Amino acid sequence: DIQMTQSPSSLSASVGDRVIITCRTSQSISSYLNWYQQKPGKAPQLLIYGESRLQTGVPSRFSGSGSGTDFTLTISSVQPEDFATYYCQQSYSFLYTFGQGTKLEIK
Amino acid sequence: EVRLVESGGGLIQPGGSLRLSCAASGFTFNTYWMHWVRQAPGKGLVWVSRINNDGSSTTYADSVKGRFTISRDNANNTLYLQMNSLRAEDTAVYFCVRDRFMAVPSFDSWGQGTRVTVSS
Repeated sequence: DIQMTQSPSSLSASVGDRVIITCRTSQSISSYLNWYQQKPGKAPQLLIYGESRLQTGVPSRFSGSGSGTDFTLTISSVQPEDFATYYCQQSYSFLYTFGQGTKLEIK
Repeated sequence: EVRLVESGGGLIQPGGSLRLSCAASGFTFNTYWMHWVRQAPGKGLVWVSRINNDGSSTTYADSVKGRFTISRDNANNTLYLQMNSLRAEDTAVYFCVRDRFMAVPSFDSWGQGTRVTVSS
């Protein structure tokens, strides 16, 4: 199975800060990496697919990069509605592993 | 509008069985792969199972293989998850998820989830 290591597990930031979340995989997955946002009590929502492609309706302050085994999710200027938990996911194999999540909190 | 509505969750004793359903609408159900993803209380997301568009191919996480069965009824736009030999560690919210399965598979639509609690 492909293992996902997401860091940090939690992060405090102020509105307007630039935030970077990283995801490392145990083997190369090319660009088969997706990012999701989940707010408390809600279902997750797809933010980025294929490492860097923005899902329709997602603000452009979100961006993804990387390839192979190392990936990043960047929020260029955090807004109040961005405080949530973020998960990476690999879809390279049919065992679609998620990272353990990064909780973004208000400083 | 894409809608996925899960049902069938509840409180069940260890060793028991439960069948979850997911009613899909707003899209051509029989052209999409579908998944179940679960989330234990206070924990992260865990992929459980997937089924291809015509139901001929399925995959399971090791933790549920041999106990859970995913299936679909394309005539009635419904996805199922039959869960047998339930354990306390199966306690979670179960989400029905659509796979956009384009160049890169990704989960673009999620239901609101149905809660399963395995406890005596």
